[in-house]
Amino acid sequence: AQRVTQPEKLLSVFKGAPVELKCNYSYSGSPELFWYVQYSRQRLQLLLRHISRESIKGFTADLNKGETSFHLKKPFAQEEDSAMYYCALKAFNKFYFGSGTKLNVKP
Amino acid sequence: NAGVTQTPKFRVLKTGQSMTLLCAQDMNHEYMYWYRQDPGMGLRLIHYSVGEGTTAKGEVPDGYNVSRLKKQNFLLGLESAAPSQTSVYFCASRTAAGGGEKLFFGSGTQLSVL
Repeated sequence: AQRVTQPEKLLSVFKGAPVELKCNYSYSGSPELFWYVQYSRQRLQLLLRHISRESIKGFTADLNKGETSFHLKKPFAQEEDSAMYYCALKAFNKFYFGSGTKLNVKP
Repeated sequence: NAGVTQTPKFRVLKTGQSMTLLCAQDMNHEYMYWYRQDPGMGLRLIHYSVGEGTTAKGEVPDGYNVSRLKKQNFLLGLESAAPSQTSVYFCASRTAAGGGEKLFFGSGTQLSVL
């Protein structure tokens, strides 16, 4: 069965510090993974997808099939990065989300 | 461009009452989804639709029904509300076209069942 695990409910860092939000998945097929973000009083929105291998707002994520991980990283956190982050797995027509990690970037 | 619109935004029900949540999208998307968001549990898929006239169960379908009579609308019904259905409900849609993995979300409906 497919599952997405985000082990940290809350991650607090200081501005300028590196950030890593962890995501592990369980899926027997070829995974398609995403990071979604929900800023305060805004809609949930796509941050990045693994197939694009892009950097959005300074964030990157690499799919590691050996470790079944898709961790989200940013070298220098900014206060505006404070938000709820969800890792998601696409399996056929369905999207499975993790429980989310709240990132709090302190000044 | 409205995108995905959910109505109502807030609702309080008594146990046993029924209600329908409406999701409307103006992007001509084929796929539509209903999720519930609960603290510590993230988003869980209730039901989804791959096109007009089709629906399918997700992870937590019990106690809910859905209909997709028109391509732009996806309705979520609670026939007999229970306190366990207190949650924030999100609708999402996406295109079936190539590269259409991006979900577009509504702003959510906060439902309380007393």
